[in-house]
Amino acid sequence: SYVLTQPPSVSVAPGKTARITCGGNNIGSKSVHWYQQKPGQAPVLVIYYDSDRPSGIPERFSGSNSGNTATLTISRVEAGDEADYYCQVWDSSSDHLRVFGTGTKVTVL
Amino acid sequence: EVQLVESGGGLVKPGGSLRLSCAASGFTFSSYSMNWVRQAPGKGLEWVSSISSSSSYIYYADSVKGRFTISRDNAKNSLYLQMNSLRAEDTAVYYCARESDGDYLDYWGQGTLVTVSS
Repeated sequence: SYVLTQPPSVSVAPGKTARITCGGNNIGSKSVHWYQQKPGQAPVLVIYYDSDRPSGIPERFSGSNSGNTATLTISRVEAGDEADYYCQVWDSSSDHLRVFGTGTKVTVL
Repeated sequence: EVQLVESGGGLVKPGGSLRLSCAASGFTFSSYSMNWVRQAPGKGLEWVSSISSSSSYIYYADSVKGRFTISRDNAKNSLYLQMNSLRAEDTAVYYCARESDGDYLDYWGQGTLVTVSS
């Protein structure tokens, strides 16, 4: 089955830029979606179709996808961005599975 | 406002069964595919199952195939997950989530906790 690999943790100072990677075989050929999950809360969609933002998500959140790596970028990081982040794709080659990445904990220093 | 409210979680013994429900409101339920996603304590998200708007297409993760059954009642705006032969490793918060046209999950419920323990 398709595997998405994320770094377990990323630390960033307030006002700086956080980059969270999501690695997968030829992931650039798939659409990647990103979710933010704060402690005790349900996940929230922050990026879809690699780089589109749902309404209400700040422009500080952006995404890109090419080759074997997709990236979620959070610019001008704020304390409220501290959360777990998950990438997700639809693996149409494997019985239509929805696959989540391993998750990345973003810590704001 | 889109709302998804799960219910039916609880404590069950290994080998037992449980039926989860998800009540939807604020959108035309019959027009959307729906999913169940779970999260074991302290772990990441795991997709469990999906069902198309008319129940024509149903998919399961290998970890639950043959034990769990997803269904829906569009007249009642409700999604269900029948869980049989439960194992300790099925212990998790179970979320229902609406699937957009583009296979991303745009709205999630708050989840219901299932604990499988003797």
